[in-house]
Amino acid sequence: QTVVTQEPSFSVSPGGTVTLTCGLSSGSVSTTYYPSWYQQTPGQAPRTLIYSTNSRSSGVPDRFSGSILGTKAALTITGAQADDESDYYCFLFLGSLRVFGGGTKLTVL
Amino acid sequence: QVQLQESGPGLVKPSETLSLTCTVSGGSVSSGSYYWTWIRQPPGKGLEWIGYIYYSGSTNYNPSLKSRVTISVDTSKNQFFLKLNSVTAADTAVYYCARGKWEHYFDYWGQGTLVTVSS
Repeated sequence: QTVVTQEPSFSVSPGGTVTLTCGLSSGSVSTTYYPSWYQQTPGQAPRTLIYSTNSRSSGVPDRFSGSILGTKAALTITGAQADDESDYYCFLFLGSLRVFGGGTKLTVL
Repeated sequence: QVQLQESGPGLVKPSETLSLTCTVSGGSVSSGSYYWTWIRQPPGKGLEWIGYIYYSGSTNYNPSLKSRVTISVDTSKNQFFLKLNSVTAADTAVYYCARGKWEHYFDYWGQGTLVTVSS
């Protein structure tokens, strides 16, 4: 069974930079998996941040960026703000499978 | 601006069928390149992709749910539907409908609807 892995939690100081990652239990993440990233605050629907590895969705500030780092997809937040405190999910297109990661709870403090 | 809105019963009894509707406005379910998708999130847990239907009627389902899921579309009403049969408490979740683009990401989401499975 394919498992998409994310850090369960992460913390960052206001104004700091944080990189969240998205990996596979077996193998490496590549651009052919079209990694996308979603931000979710409690009680709200997810918001699309990044698609196709590094394309920002409409209205998303440029302090959010996506990339491939080594064997994983990565979401980097530069200049973290208090309202970035959210859950972040990655999503991978694995051929016939589409799978979300377990999510990372980001704390800004 | 595309909008999606889920609707359906908030309470379903165990072993019965969960049925939800997603009404699309500001766009057409008949448009190519879009995959009309259902996603769910159990309370306090992460997101789970359920499956999608393409405007042509072709479908793709999560293998873990495939035996119990049916997604269909009504182009005349600009709606698509989710049916999940033989539900148990493990199917209690917020169910989201979303527009999938190019099969590999979601650009619009509904607000979600909580479905509780309980007798």
